[in-house]
Amino acid sequence: DAKTTQPPSMDCAEGRAANLPCNHSTISGNEYVYWYRQIHSQGPQYIIHGLKNNETNEMASLIITEDRKSSTLILPHATLRDTAVYYCIVSANTGNQFYFGTGTSLTVIP
Amino acid sequence: DAGVIQSPRHEVTEMGQEVTLRCKPISGHNSLFWYRQTMMRGLELLIYFNNNVPIDDSGMPEDRFSAKMPNASFSTLKIQPSEPRDSAVYFCASSPWAGMNTEAFFGQGTRLTVV
Repeated sequence: DAKTTQPPSMDCAEGRAANLPCNHSTISGNEYVYWYRQIHSQGPQYIIHGLKNNETNEMASLIITEDRKSSTLILPHATLRDTAVYYCIVSANTGNQFYFGTGTSLTVIP
Repeated sequence: DAGVIQSPRHEVTEMGQEVTLRCKPISGHNSLFWYRQTMMRGLELLIYFNNNVPIDDSGMPEDRFSAKMPNASFSTLKIQPSEPRDSAVYFCASSPWAGMNTEAFFGQGTRLTVV
């Protein structure tokens, strides 16, 4: 029941910013944008989430467009350990149910 | 906190056998989720509980699958009888409270192989 569209794969040079886009054109007013990542063979890991304002934490920044139909996750200085599949999810949070799409496979290149 | 704990980490069983996967959520968390991940279907939400009560089991694939949460600190996912197509990684996740602006925390998963 994924409501997001992400590119299937991206590359980024080590030390550079990784900008991962996500389209969620049918997002509702009460739905948040969440980002998770999954490093090979591990459980998904929460990164960041937001409703309409831009958000920043120790891992990343989340930029949400004014119309909320798209967002960008920014890893400011990508490292090799950031190589993972990144999932963008919209969730009404009425039940904390997260439906994962296919995500973006990010490869950080030395 | 040790995070969400799943056991076993790996399980190999023969077709037709019963399989039980176990999950201990983070202490104090009220919501628990079971997911299944395969190459073909990605990460699928199977069922979720709130305050030990199953809220939505629409993702459970067949009657062979059942999940229970007898108390706030333990949940099981049972497959009986198991089939080769059940081979997947099964993840358990917990979150503080349904309906709030909170994230879910995932365990390391159980890799199930049915031969």
